[in-house]
Amino acid sequence: GAVVSQHPSRVICKSGTSVKIECRSLDFQATTMFWYRQFPKQSLMLMATSNEGSKATYEQGVEKDKFLINHASLTLSTLTVTSAHPEDSSFYICSASFSGGAGETQYFGPGTRLLVL
Amino acid sequence: SQKIEQNSEALNIQEGKTATLTCNYTNYSPAYLQWYRQDPGRGPVFLLLIRENEKEKRKERLKVTFDTTLKQSLFHITASQPADSATYLCALGRGAGNMLTFGGGTRLMVKP
Repeated sequence: GAVVSQHPSRVICKSGTSVKIECRSLDFQATTMFWYRQFPKQSLMLMATSNEGSKATYEQGVEKDKFLINHASLTLSTLTVTSAHPEDSSFYICSASFSGGAGETQYFGPGTRLLVL
Repeated sequence: SQKIEQNSEALNIQEGKTATLTCNYTNYSPAYLQWYRQDPGRGPVFLLLIRENEKEKRKERLKVTFDTTLKQSLFHITASQPADSATYLCALGRGAGNMLTFGGGTRLMVKP
C-alpha cells in the first residue's frame, strides 16, 4: 500500500517552455503533498507543501510564480515549471502523507528528471 | 539554523558485517526521526520512524537508536548484503503532515 506515482519520469524541454509534473497517490487519500528538488549527490530540498483545496506553502527562496502547484484533489497534485531555464534542470520528487495511521510518514514518488536545453 | 549532518563519505563494508550510519542534528527539537533508503534515480523509500520518547526500534535486520541528549541517531544494518547498497537519508519532523528536514545522506556500499 501507500503507492505514489509521478508522470512523466523524464522530460526534456526547450528553454522558455512550461512543464507539468503530476503526482498521484494511487491507493490512499493524501491530505498533504510535498514537492522536493534534488541536485546530484545532494539531499532533498523542500520546495512547497500543499493541502487539498488550499494554496501551497512555499519555502523561502522558491518562486511561487515560477513553480505553480495545484492540489485539486486528495489524490492528485501537479507542479508546473513555467518558462523553464537550464538552471531548473533537476530531479523533482513528490511525496504524500495521510492523516490516518503514521501521519508523519511521507511516501515518495519515483521522481521526475527534468532537463531544460 | 537547523543543521542535520550525515557522513558525506561513502561507507564501504564487507558482506555479512554490520553497517552503522550516523545522523547528528543541531538547533532542532524533533518529535520524531525517520530513515529512508534512496537508490540512484529513484525516490526515497521509508524504512523506520522513531519518536523522541523511544530509545530504540527494530525492523528485521534494521535497528535505529535515538538519543535526544546527544542529538544523534544511529542506523544499523546487520548481516549486510550487496542489495543493501544505497544512499540512506535521515529526516527530522515535528508532527503529522508537517515538513521533514533531510540530511545529506550517506552512501553505503556492501561488497560481496
